Amino acid sequence: DAGITQSPRHKVTETGTPVTLRCHQTENHRYMYWYRQDPGHGLRLIHYSYGVKDTDKGEVSDGYSVSRSKTEDFLLTLESATSSQTSVYFCAISESEESREAFFGQGTRLTVV
Amino acid sequence: GQNIDQPTEMTATEGAIVQINCTYQTSGFNGLFWYQQHAGEAPTFLSYNVLDGLEEKGRFSSFLSRSKGYSYLLLKELQMKDSASYLCAVRDSNYQLIWGAGTKLIIKP
Repeated sequence: DAGITQSPRHKVTETGTPVTLRCHQTENHRYMYWYRQDPGHGLRLIHYSYGVKDTDKGEVSDGYSVSRSKTEDFLLTLESATSSQTSVYFCAISESEESREAFFGQGTRLTVV
Repeated sequence: GQNIDQPTEMTATEGAIVQINCTYQTSGFNGLFWYQQHAGEAPTFLSYNVLDGLEEKGRFSSFLSRSKGYSYLLLKELQMKDSASYLCAVRDSNYQLIWGAGTKLIIKP
């Protein structure tokens, strides 16, 4: 199994508070992604990174920011959590943007109350 | 806009064969992927098609027709453990993955 871990696995937070989710990989893959998964929707890309300090927005980036200061860590921050950000968040990694396969972390279930 | 369509839910019998369809309309095409996702777990890679035709891998096969914007995943000799959601995704011209909402497959004894 690919070495990718997400923390925390579950979190309940209050509206208006900042929240940071962490993705850690031991595969030395260049690309890292943050997705959210909601019922009735496909996985939707929030942000991705193509190297240390190199990040770009996905289709649902509003209200989220990311940072990648080391190859192995990719952080997702909800600057001021809202109930619409209640979701399951998945981190994924791939060697390149042309890779045949991406590997996913186990997910973080975030509830904003 | 970009769109991936797949059935929401399908039911099949243990030991039988099931075909899960996926149609897509995307800005460019750089490959089509199928992932399996058990409830509460991470998606795991099943198959990748970039050229037309059938790719076979054990009990699972995936077919692609780029001219029709169409793919299917064929599962043979169904087992109870195949009960899961099956996600279709297309990589577009910007190398971004566009995901379908997934097909929940229910296997009955």
